[in-house]
Amino acid sequence: GQQLNQSPQSMFIQEGEDVSMNCTSSSIFNTWLWYKQDPGEGPVLLIALYKAGELTSNGRLTAQFGITRKDSFLNISASIPSDVGIYFCAGRKGGATNKLIFGTGTLLAVQP
Amino acid sequence: GAVVSQHPSRVICKSGTSVKIECRSLDFQATTMFWYRQFPKKSLMLMATSNEGSKATYEQGVEKDKFLINHASLTLSTLTVTSAHPEDSSFYICSAYYNEQFFGPGTRLTVL
Repeated sequence: GQQLNQSPQSMFIQEGEDVSMNCTSSSIFNTWLWYKQDPGEGPVLLIALYKAGELTSNGRLTAQFGITRKDSFLNISASIPSDVGIYFCAGRKGGATNKLIFGTGTLLAVQP
Repeated sequence: GAVVSQHPSRVICKSGTSVKIECRSLDFQATTMFWYRQFPKKSLMLMATSNEGSKATYEQGVEKDKFLINHASLTLSTLTVTSAHPEDSSFYICSAYYNEQFFGPGTRLTVL
């Protein structure tokens, strides 16, 4: 099935550093979501974006819905060890199904 | 709010047997639930959309006779892997829709 392209694939950073990751698509989406998955667990919703250009924050996390509607960005400021995990973007094109298409994931490792 | 549970969290079975996985929305009603499969270090792949009171909608390439889905109530969907084989071993995750998709903790299936 279709997947969204996420970059970088993985990041290894020091505690306290800021992190940026993005998600791109060749087609337009009406909704962008960002999830975090810990090993052996299900994804947890971090941020939801519903309008092109929208910028939304959740604590140290900030995400933006790209104005072309084909991309989204997630920033994490002042990273801490518990930020470790895999971050997935997900897009929804709309319609009646509410189906999501997931990105390839970004693995984040934080060195204390 | 928006808590989703899955049972069992882990299951080991012999080849040829059937395994049932339950997905429950604990504090909300969900007319739509989704079933995903995730291979190690890979993203989530949607298997099917489960609608309460009607037949599930399967994604292309997913065998509906092998992966039986039942959504008999507004808080429960079940996935039955019939005649399981080692290649069915995977991490199965459900989500329930309540304005957005909220995920369960996943079920690790190992088929010997």
